[in-house]
Amino acid sequence: NAGVTQTPKFQVLKTGQSMTLQCAQDMNHNSMYWYRQDPGMGLRLIYYSASEGTTDKGEVPNGYNVSRLNKREFSLRLESAAPSQTSVYFCASSTDREATIYFGEGSWLTVV
Amino acid sequence: GDSVTQMEGPVTLSEEAFLTINCTYTATGYPSLFWYVQYPGEGLQLLLKATKADDKGSNKGFEATYRKETTSFHLEKGSVQVSDSAVYFCALKKAANDYKLSFGAGTTVTVRA
Repeated sequence: NAGVTQTPKFQVLKTGQSMTLQCAQDMNHNSMYWYRQDPGMGLRLIYYSASEGTTDKGEVPNGYNVSRLNKREFSLRLESAAPSQTSVYFCASSTDREATIYFGEGSWLTVV
Repeated sequence: GDSVTQMEGPVTLSEEAFLTINCTYTATGYPSLFWYVQYPGEGLQLLLKATKADDKGSNKGFEATYRKETTSFHLEKGSVQVSDSAVYFCALKKAANDYKLSFGAGTTVTVRA
């Protein structure tokens, strides 16, 4: 009964380092999403993937890349981390765009 | 653009108190409205939703009514419990078939025994 699983849960990076956040869902959902959560700003959509093989920019895509590896997995990559990317990152999925969105537990990223 | 404004927290209540969290929105057309809840250490979960004006969403004793005339979707619960301590997010979708959820900043609620 895993739902949406994200790794790692916590990460500290130095400015300029790269890293990939991994996300997998076991609900056979078509659509997957990456959000970031910052204090006082709620959650903002970074990228989404409507279906396997497609990805689209959300509200705040700059500095990020994504890969929809297969139907289950959707990764988020920071090529050159910046302090402004310090945030909590949430992966989510849904059957389609009209369906309920299910969230993972979050990944806390600090860039120093 | 589309946006959601919800009351700032934190909100601290005693058990069995009445809870209201205000949420207003700015959007064209007929958005769908949602309340999500985030319990400590967990991801967000959908609490309730409403997809058209005058619809009332309800779940776990919480209710919210989609008021187009006041562009509001206030969350209420008549008698809170300690287990209701969480962060509550109001959110909207521009249309039911839109991918993007626009979230409010979140309201932290703490219920004391």
